Amino acid sequence: GIQVEQSPPDLILQEGANSTLRCNFSDSVNNLQWFHQNPWGQLINLFYIPSGTKQNGRLSATTVATERYSLLYISSSQTTDSGVYFCAAGTGTASKLTFGTGTRLQVTL
Amino acid sequence: NAGVTQTPKFQVLKTGQSMTLQCAQDMNHNSMYWYRQDPGMGLRLIYYSASEGTTDKGEVPNGYNVSRLNKREFSLRLESAAPSQTSVYFCASSSTGNTIYFGEGSWLTVV
Repeated sequence: GIQVEQSPPDLILQEGANSTLRCNFSDSVNNLQWFHQNPWGQLINLFYIPSGTKQNGRLSATTVATERYSLLYISSSQTTDSGVYFCAAGTGTASKLTFGTGTRLQVTL
Repeated sequence: NAGVTQTPKFQVLKTGQSMTLQCAQDMNHNSMYWYRQDPGMGLRLIYYSASEGTTDKGEVPNGYNVSRLNKREFSLRLESAAPSQTSVYFCASSSTGNTIYFGEGSWLTVV
């Protein structure tokens, strides 16, 4: 099956800093999503982005499907951005997703 | 909006006991999923249902059974719980090939 790798595994930022999280996947995909898991365990969908670029406030994401990677940009980070960011990729029509192991982000004052 | 609702939120089982995790969605989604998350790891797919009346195995199906009761509900059953099944379980749903929405998780401990 498809393999999904995320980097870096851990990231510590000061509030206000910018960051880029990377997701590499091993095969062609037609489904690529980014999620944020907050410290209480809740999983929130950030982007559905099998290709192209999207922006939502301070967050944006770009997927280059032909080169098999996706990037999540966080600008002007806030303490509420802390948590784990997961990338998940899938092929076929059933929307099955394979998750990476995540990037744990800690934003400090 | 309720979204995806799963119960119970917390459960402690003894080895060998059985239990069913319930999940319901009110977004009229065709596809539903059960994932498990272990410490320091991403989510792994247990079973999924692409549409009402169909179910398929995911990456880690051993020790579990599922039932897609109707379009709204998708249950996960542990017939004989084992300590290796201690985990956080997430139910999710989506329209085919689209954004996935997760429930709040069920914390299961098997002693």
